[in-house]
Amino acid sequence: GENVEQHPSTLSVQEGDSAVIKCTYSDSASNYFPWYKQELGKRPQLIIDIRSNVGEKKDQRIAVTLNKTAKHFSLHITETQPEDSAVYFCAASKDSNYQLIWGAGTKLIIKP
Amino acid sequence: SAVISQKPSRDICQRGTSLTIQCQVDSQVTMMFWYRQQPGQSLTLIATANQGSEATYESGFVIDKFPISRPNLTFSTLTVSNMSPEDSSIYLCSVGPGLGTEAFFGQGTRLTVV
Repeated sequence: GENVEQHPSTLSVQEGDSAVIKCTYSDSASNYFPWYKQELGKRPQLIIDIRSNVGEKKDQRIAVTLNKTAKHFSLHITETQPEDSAVYFCAASKDSNYQLIWGAGTKLIIKP
Repeated sequence: SAVISQKPSRDICQRGTSLTIQCQVDSQVTMMFWYRQQPGQSLTLIATANQGSEATYESGFVIDKFPISRPNLTFSTLTVSNMSPEDSSIYLCSVGPGLGTEAFFGQGTRLTVV
C-alpha cells in the first residue's frame, strides 16, 4: 500500500526566512497531495493542495511543488511569521478510494 | 465545504466503560473517516464508514473494540469499548477528500481513560 515519508520532523527557522518541508510517496497511482496545518489543540486545516496534473501551485506565501517522476512533493513557506508555528502534515490519496495516507508531521518553529 | 460537529469535545472515562463519539455533517457525504491521533503524532486511520454498509477497519483495529454506525449520509458514531488507559487519545472524524474537494475534520474528542 501507499506510504508517505515526511522530513524533517522538526524545523526551526528565523522569522522572515523560508521553510521547506519534503514528502515522498510510494504509490504512483496517488494523484492528490494536500498539506494540512494543525495548531495545538485544534483540528487539521488545509493550507494548500496539488493534483498530479500540475507541477506547482502557489497561494501568497505558500507554494507546493510536485515531482511525479521522483514521487516527491514539497511545501515552501516564504517570509515566515510567528503565526506559521504549527505542525504541518502532508498526505497523499487517489481517486479510487479517497483515503488519505499521512506523513508523520513536521513541527515548524519560527524564532523571533 | 463541509462543517462537521463532533461531540463530546473531551471526556474522562473509567477503564472498562465505553464512550460513543458523534459526528454530524451539514451536507450528505458518502464516506466518513475515523482517526486516532496521539499527542504529537500523525493521524492514524481507524476505519472508513460508508452509509448502508459495514465499516472497513484498518489493520490493528477491530469492530468489537471500535463499533461504528452510519445510519444516514450526514451522521456517524464511533464507540470506544471496554476502554483502557491505552485508548487515551484524540479521536477525529473526517469527510473527504473527494473530486474537487478537500478533507474536513470535526473538532476532535480528547479522551482520557483513568
